[in-house]
Amino acid sequence: GQNIDQPTEMTATEGAIVQINCTYQTSGFNGLFWYQQHAGEAPTFLSYNVLDGLEEKGRFSSFLSRSKGYSYLLLKELQMKDSASYLCAVMDSNYQLIWGAGTKLIIKP
Amino acid sequence: DADVTQTPRNRITKTGKRIMLECSQTKGHDRMYWYRQDPGLGLRLIYYSFDVKDINKGEISDGYSVSRQAQAKFSLSLESAIPNQTALYFCATSSLSRDTDTQYFGPGTRLTVL
Repeated sequence: GQNIDQPTEMTATEGAIVQINCTYQTSGFNGLFWYQQHAGEAPTFLSYNVLDGLEEKGRFSSFLSRSKGYSYLLLKELQMKDSASYLCAVMDSNYQLIWGAGTKLIIKP
Repeated sequence: DADVTQTPRNRITKTGKRIMLECSQTKGHDRMYWYRQDPGLGLRLIYYSFDVKDINKGEISDGYSVSRQAQAKFSLSLESAIPNQTALYFCATSSLSRDTDTQYFGPGTRLTVL
C-alpha cells in the first residue's frame, strides 16, 4: 500500500530551527508537497520538490531524496505564528496526492 | 476576494437529511477536488474532477455524490447524512498546465451530523 509517515507532534523554541521529516512509500512519484495548516483553517501551499536537493524559500527550506523516499521541511528563526500542522503529500504515478497525517508543531517562547 | 470559496462555512444537520456543499473558484483551474479531514487523520479524497465531463471516485466516495456544473463550480452532496460524516470538508483546485498541479484549498465547511 501507499504510506506517508511523519511525526505526530514536535515542540521547538521561538527563534530556533526545527526539521520536520517525512518518509514515503508510494506507487510512483511525481513530486512532493509541503503544506501549512493552522487549526481549523485550510492548508496553504509551502513548497514543491520533484528533483533531489534543497529548495529554499525565505525562512523555509525543503529537501528531497527520491532514492531514500525521504523529505524534510526546515524552518529557521521560528516565530510564534509558525505554530501549526505541517502536511507532507506525495503525488503518485496516477497524479493522485497521498497525504500524511500531519505534524503538529508547537512553538514555545 | 478569495480564489476558492465554499458555502456554507458551518452546517449542523440531522441524520437522514440531504446536504449539499458548494465550491466555486476564480483561479481558472480545470481540476477540482473534495476532501474530508478528521482529527488525527490526513486529508482523504472523496471525489475529483479533471474537467467538466470527468468525475472520479476517490478513496472514500461511499455515501457521497458530486456534480461539476461548470469549470468553476463543484458541489458535494450527502444524500442521507449520518453522524460519522461529521468532519471538516475542503474543496481544492489545481492546474497541471499552469502550476505543477499544486492544489489550492478553500476555507472549509465544518459539518456536524446529529
